[in-house]
Amino acid sequence: DTAVSQTPKYLVTQMGNDKSIKCEQNLGHDTMYWYKQDSKKFLKIMFSYNNKELIINETVPNRFSPKSPDKAHLNLHINSLELGDSAVYFCASSSHSGNTIYFGEGSWLTVV
Amino acid sequence: AQSVAQPEDQVNVAEGNPLTVKCTYSVSGNPYLFWYVQYPNRGLQFLLKYITGDNLVKGSYGFEAEFNKSQTSFHLKKPSALVSDSALYFCAVRDGGGHNNDMRFGAGTRLTVKP
Repeated sequence: DTAVSQTPKYLVTQMGNDKSIKCEQNLGHDTMYWYKQDSKKFLKIMFSYNNKELIINETVPNRFSPKSPDKAHLNLHINSLELGDSAVYFCASSSHSGNTIYFGEGSWLTVV
Repeated sequence: AQSVAQPEDQVNVAEGNPLTVKCTYSVSGNPYLFWYVQYPNRGLQFLLKYITGDNLVKGSYGFEAEFNKSQTSFHLKKPSALVSDSALYFCAVRDGGGHNNDMRFGAGTRLTVKP
């Protein structure tokens, strides 16, 4: 069973469109994250939610909006997609103590 | 805020030789240190961590890392490299005294093990 699963794995879309990436974890963790990995493989945190409450909100355009319906899910919605949004987006989760973060397999977003 | 530096973009070693991937950190509180590995087109996989206790920690696939407080380092090591170890390695740090779960990653080091 996949511990942190995210869909879709690949997404190709046109500029200006709105898209969502879904994430679910079955580890019973309280904290979930979204990370962005750019073309140079640099990994940057975008958001962190603890028990559905926003904890970390890095400098990210407000076109990006996370939604956490429950503590097992953290979806990422992106409005008005731009070319620079092309990247790999990783969902992750950890226990409240946050010692080890477990990552999903990533969602490859390409904006054309 | 905490940060991590991985000074080498690329490390090349021959199979069977020992390998070291370097990492230094900066944190105001207690350092919680981690190593992750990323294979092509995959997510990051946890290798090992240091929270407290012995400075030498052992992890998956024969990897180990040594916490050195005076040098603020947490280098990843393996006594004998395998071709299958070739991947991208990330060091990460979290402030153990922090009130959130903010983990910061280094820029990554690409390890290539040649037969």
